[in-house]
Amino acid sequence: GQQLNQSPQSMFIQEGEDVSMNCTSSSIFNTWLWYKQDPGEGPVLLIALYKAGELTSNGRLTAQFGITRKDSFLNISASIPSDVGIYFCAGQLYNQGGKLIFGQGTELSVKP
Amino acid sequence: ETGVTQSPTHLIKTRGQQVTLRCSSQSGHNTVSWYQQALGQGPQFIFQYYREEENGRGNFPPRFSGLQFPNYSSELNVNALELDDSALYLCASRYRGNTEAFFGQGTRLTVV
Repeated sequence: GQQLNQSPQSMFIQEGEDVSMNCTSSSIFNTWLWYKQDPGEGPVLLIALYKAGELTSNGRLTAQFGITRKDSFLNISASIPSDVGIYFCAGQLYNQGGKLIFGQGTELSVKP
Repeated sequence: ETGVTQSPTHLIKTRGQQVTLRCSSQSGHNTVSWYQQALGQGPQFIFQYYREEENGRGNFPPRFSGLQFPNYSSELNVNALELDDSALYLCASRYRGNTEAFFGQGTRLTVV
């Protein structure tokens, strides 16, 4: 099935470090969403982006909707152990209301 | 806590059998989508229901079918189960016109 290109696939960082991950696509999206999924749970919505160039924060998380509408970035500042999990980007194509296309995920590990 | 609940949480079925998974949407949400998430992958869109009708479908065969009820709860039915149907099945609800989808905890289906 169609997926976004999300990178990196995994990250091992020290507590307190900043983290960056991104998603790219060959298609233009009109919405980008970022989710976090813990083992055995469903994805939890972190940030939603609706306009090209939009920069939105949620606590230590900041996400941006790329100017080209084909990419998005998520940054986590001052990571803590509870940030561990899998982060997914998801995009919605124009005129495909409700259908989200997901990246493969970035698995984040944080060493105390 | 998203307010979206799924049942059962785990299920083991034999190849060729049929299965029904259930979802209770978040209060006020009138649109429900179902996703299949294979191990190590992002969720894949199966279909979406609004006003008790399917109004969007991903690349899944007809043996994947669904229902939405007047109270906006939903079912996913899979006939003639195959080994590759083993996955986490996620239900997501939203209010039509709003892109932000909220997921349940998922049903882990194992086909043996």
